[in-house]
Amino acid sequence: AIQMTQSPSSLSASVGDRVTITCRASQGIRNDLGWYQQKPGKAPKLLIYGTSTLQSGVPSRFSGSGSGTDFTLTISSLQPEDFATYYCLQDYNYPRTFGQGTKVEVK
Amino acid sequence: EVQLVESGGGLVQPGGSLRLSCSASGFTFSNFWMTWLRQAPGKGLEWVANIRRDGSVKSYVDSVNGRFTISRDNAKNSLYLQMNSLRVEDTAVYYCARDFSPAYYYDSNTYYLDAFDVWGQGTMVTVSS
Repeated sequence: AIQMTQSPSSLSASVGDRVTITCRASQGIRNDLGWYQQKPGKAPKLLIYGTSTLQSGVPSRFSGSGSGTDFTLTISSLQPEDFATYYCLQDYNYPRTFGQGTKVEVK
Repeated sequence: EVQLVESGGGLVQPGGSLRLSCSASGFTFSNFWMTWLRQAPGKGLEWVANIRRDGSVKSYVDSVNGRFTISRDNAKNSLYLQMNSLRVEDTAVYYCARDFSPAYYYDSNTYYLDAFDVWGQGTMVTVSS
């Protein structure tokens, strides 16, 4: 199975900060990567698919980039509602695998 | 309203069985791949299994292959997960999710992505003696 390594596992940030989360795949996965946001006690929410395509209704402060093995989720200006845990997911082959998550906390 | 509602979770002893259901409404269920995912308490997300629109293609994570069976009934707008030989490590919240499978074009080929745009609220499965 493809291993997805996310970094950092947690970070502290303030409202207005630029936040970057990285996901590295153990082998090339083309652009077959998505990002999900999860808040405590809630189901995850799709943010980005295909590395960089923003899901409908997701604010434009979220963006994704990368290709092959290295991918990035960027929040350009952190908002109060963005404090959550973020997961990457590769859908290049089976079984699909998630990164271990990045918790974005209040500084 | 587009909605997924899971049911069937509960407490079961190791080695036991449980059948989860996911009822879909507000969209044409038969047009979408469907997926089960899970999250152990305090842990990250894990993809469990998925099933093609017509039920003809199924895939599983290795840890459940041979023990779990995903199925669907498009006439009833329902997705199922039959879980047998349950283990303590299967304890988790189980989510069903809709996959709208967006296509993209790369190197003259068409590929389909997973994109889980609708999720249920989750149902808790606890495996314990």
